[in-house]
Amino acid sequence: LAKTTQPISMDSYEGQEVNITCSHNNIATNDYITWYQQFPSQGPRFIIQGYKTKVTNEVASLFIPADRKSSTLSLPRVSLSDTAVYYCLVGHGGATNKLIFGTGTLLAVQP
Amino acid sequence: GAVVSQHPSRVICKSGTSVKIECRSLDFQATTMFWYRQFPKQSLMLMATSNEGSKATYEQGVEKDKFLINHASLTLSTLTVTSAHPEDSSFYICSAREKGVFDTEAFFGQGTRLTVV
Repeated sequence: LAKTTQPISMDSYEGQEVNITCSHNNIATNDYITWYQQFPSQGPRFIIQGYKTKVTNEVASLFIPADRKSSTLSLPRVSLSDTAVYYCLVGHGGATNKLIFGTGTLLAVQP
Repeated sequence: GAVVSQHPSRVICKSGTSVKIECRSLDFQATTMFWYRQFPKQSLMLMATSNEGSKATYEQGVEKDKFLINHASLTLSTLTVTSAHPEDSSFYICSAREKGVFDTEAFFGQGTRLTVV
């Protein structure tokens, strides 16, 4: 299982764009990269998933370079409600594949 | 989207008693569900993989006789914390992916806060 490395914490202000980078040097060929968001006392919530290049949805963008050894979650114009822990995970998408969580990044958005 | 529901969301029990936590996939079938434990200000730690119709697979260091897992149907897995002690107080979370669908995200329950007094 690929190990991921993220910054422990980040600070930002409302309205700014936030980029959280994750390193996954040992990612396997059939692994996907998935980001989850977790608020205190709640289960993680899916944000975005990608395999290569760029993926965008209504809440975030995910940038993956050609070597796939890292990825960057981009949150446009954050608000106070985006304060949460963000986890980067890698693994193949089979239903039986277990997800191993790393430390995550605590994003603190200030007014 | 797919929903995973846990019950109860909070439970307080006396030391030495057992507590059962349910995890249901509400609108999809899951042959496999996963149980995590999370202590304050820490990440999720995978405890075990629950397999429908067969024995659960436990991660290293997790006592299978203490954390009993039953996955009796394609939509329900239960975790029973037996003879609970204060050190078992934690946030327990389950997750599941839809059976037969590849490359889909895992869905997580809302978690169960267990407090052992």
